[in-house]
Amino acid sequence: AQSVSQHNHHVILSEAASLELGCNYSYGGTVNLFWYVQYPGQHLQLLLKYFSGDPLVKGIKGFEAEFIKSKFSFNLRKPSVQWSDTAEYFCAVKRRDNYGQNFVFGPGTRLSVLP
Amino acid sequence: NAGVTQTPKFRVLKTGQSMTLLCAQDMNHEYMYWYRQDPGMGLRLIHYSVGEGTTAKGEVPDGYNVSRLKKQNFLLGLESAAPSQTSVYFCASSYGARVETQYFGPGTRLLVL
Repeated sequence: AQSVSQHNHHVILSEAASLELGCNYSYGGTVNLFWYVQYPGQHLQLLLKYFSGDPLVKGIKGFEAEFIKSKFSFNLRKPSVQWSDTAEYFCAVKRRDNYGQNFVFGPGTRLSVLP
Repeated sequence: NAGVTQTPKFRVLKTGQSMTLLCAQDMNHEYMYWYRQDPGMGLRLIHYSVGEGTTAKGEVPDGYNVSRLKKQNFLLGLESAAPSQTSVYFCASSYGARVETQYFGPGTRLLVL
């Protein structure tokens, strides 16, 4: 079965520190990849997505992610975090050869940024 | 354009009670989804719909039923609530199978005592 893992359950950083959140998936075929963010008390919002083309994708609020096919990874990065980045981050993977339910979320990584 | 809305925002049920959660979207999306979010487990798909009048089971469908009588609405029903169904429920919608970005509602927090 397809699965998505995220390396860290909880990451604590100081403002201006660099961020990298790991995401790996298990499916070997063609996939669409997503990072969603959930700010405290809010719903999930799309941060960025990869469908095809340049494996380095840029999203909102200075986030970027790199798709490395050989490593089945889609790590999220930000060079300098802010207190307002405190949130939970979810990686999600969707198989492109199937419809409907094969949209799998990782367990999430909680990011706490200290002022 | 409200996007995806959910009602109610919060509900407390006693074990054995029933309730229906309503999801509505005004983006003319074909696909709609119901997820539950539990600590440390991310989001798990309960049921989904690929169009008006269709529904299908997701990863954790037991104890839930759904209906999609109108394209813009997707209802999630709990016939006999159990404490294990205490969770935050999110509805999402997407345009279609290939255009995969899902848009999420604000969530419904359900507590079953």
